[in-house]
Amino acid sequence: EPEVTQTPSHQVTQMGQEVILRCVPISNHLYFYWYRQILGQKVEFLVSFYNNEISEKSEIFDDQFSVERPDGSNFTLKIRSTKLEDSAMYFCASSVQIEQYFGPGTRLTVT
Amino acid sequence: AQSVTQLDSHVSVSEGTPVLLRCNYSSSYSPSLFWYVQHPNKGLQLLLKYTSAATLVKGINGFEAEFKKSETSFHLTKPSAHMSDAAEYFCVVRTDTGRRALTFGSGTRLQVQP
Repeated sequence: EPEVTQTPSHQVTQMGQEVILRCVPISNHLYFYWYRQILGQKVEFLVSFYNNEISEKSEIFDDQFSVERPDGSNFTLKIRSTKLEDSAMYFCASSVQIEQYFGPGTRLTVT
Repeated sequence: AQSVTQLDSHVSVSEGTPVLLRCNYSSSYSPSLFWYVQHPNKGLQLLLKYTSAATLVKGINGFEAEFKKSETSFHLTKPSAHMSDAAEYFCVVRTDTGRRALTFGSGTRLQVQP
């Protein structure tokens, strides 16, 4: 069964550094998403992406964040200058219709 | 705006007994509702979905949920718990027309005792 995959599974970075989280969505899916879950808090929507542009974004998704689909298979989330409060589990998801399929997540630790 | 409230942060049952995980939603429009499960170190797996068709929805692994508009509820049930059901369960809503963002509940951790 096709799955969403994410790399790396765990990323440790220093405050102020740039990080890129990578996702490979399910191959025939058209919509792509990033969510995050800060430890002990709810899963929160960050951004959705369709037809090579952002279709929705939340208040969390400020200028520090960007997304890109650099080729036909990858979907990336870049955080330009990480802060301590960016430490969280980041989930990628993809969909064709209404139901979204999630990857296993990348745990980002900012020190 | 939509929201989801999961009424129990932690539920413990014995193997072979019924499971009930409670969820209430708030929405200005007709909602689509989902239950996702997360096993340790795994991704979020879709258990079932409600999208304005039958109010009783059957999902994977013997789970089902009933949409009750009058009670704004979407509780998840299973007749007989299995040890492998131990996980975190999330009730999720999507309502705003034209938007695809999902709103998650805070999760319910299900513990299954032998």
